[in-house]
Amino acid sequence: DGGITQSPKYLFRKEGQNVTLSCEQNLNHDAMYWYRQDPGQGLRLIYYSQIVNDFQKGDIAEGYSVSREKKESFPLTVTSAQKNPTAFYLCASSRNRGLSHFGSYEQYFGPGTRLTVT
Amino acid sequence: AQTVTQSQPEMSVQEAETVTLSCTYDTSENNYYLFWYKQPPSRQMILVIRQEAYKQQNATENRFSVNFQKAAKSFSLKISDSQLGDTAMYFCALNAGNMLTFGGGTRLMVKP
Repeated sequence: DGGITQSPKYLFRKEGQNVTLSCEQNLNHDAMYWYRQDPGQGLRLIYYSQIVNDFQKGDIAEGYSVSREKKESFPLTVTSAQKNPTAFYLCASSRNRGLSHFGSYEQYFGPGTRLTVT
Repeated sequence: AQTVTQSQPEMSVQEAETVTLSCTYDTSENNYYLFWYKQPPSRQMILVIRQEAYKQQNATENRFSVNFQKAAKSFSLKISDSQLGDTAMYFCALNAGNMLTFGGGTRLMVKP
């Protein structure tokens, strides 16, 4: 079955530690995205990537880093510099019509990872 | 910059009734796309319906339909014959340029 996988579903870390959240898709999508969702709120864009080896900052990139070495994979690292990392993290992917129109296709989401930092 | 506003934090509807969720947006782009996503308690985001701004005809997907008013920058979602499984958070989203912007969400409770 084609889809997006995120693992693990729940993740616990001590404050001061970096942690990497995985996101894999087998939909052959060019574009991938990372969002953060806080309780009772909408989604905020952290980073996005339109093609392999390229990525752009979203609205709340500070304290996060990403890589896009393979089309299928877009891991997100939550660094110790992120002041309030406890949140629900969602990964998404979409087809890419081209750099000037990449936003025209709907995004498909993974099941999410709940990160708790204490 | 683009913004999406959902003015109804919570709504409830009786099973089998009809409910309308509101969404307004703002963008300087002339061509864009609008979406409604559903997030049930499992927290999986599911695409409900999609509307392209250059199409005047309102999108429809089974029991879900939209009322797209481009001049007013309004994009409401109508759910007909509400079912218990429709209970979820609903997010309106705007894709213009290279960003997908979400509204704050409306929590819908369908009551038996």
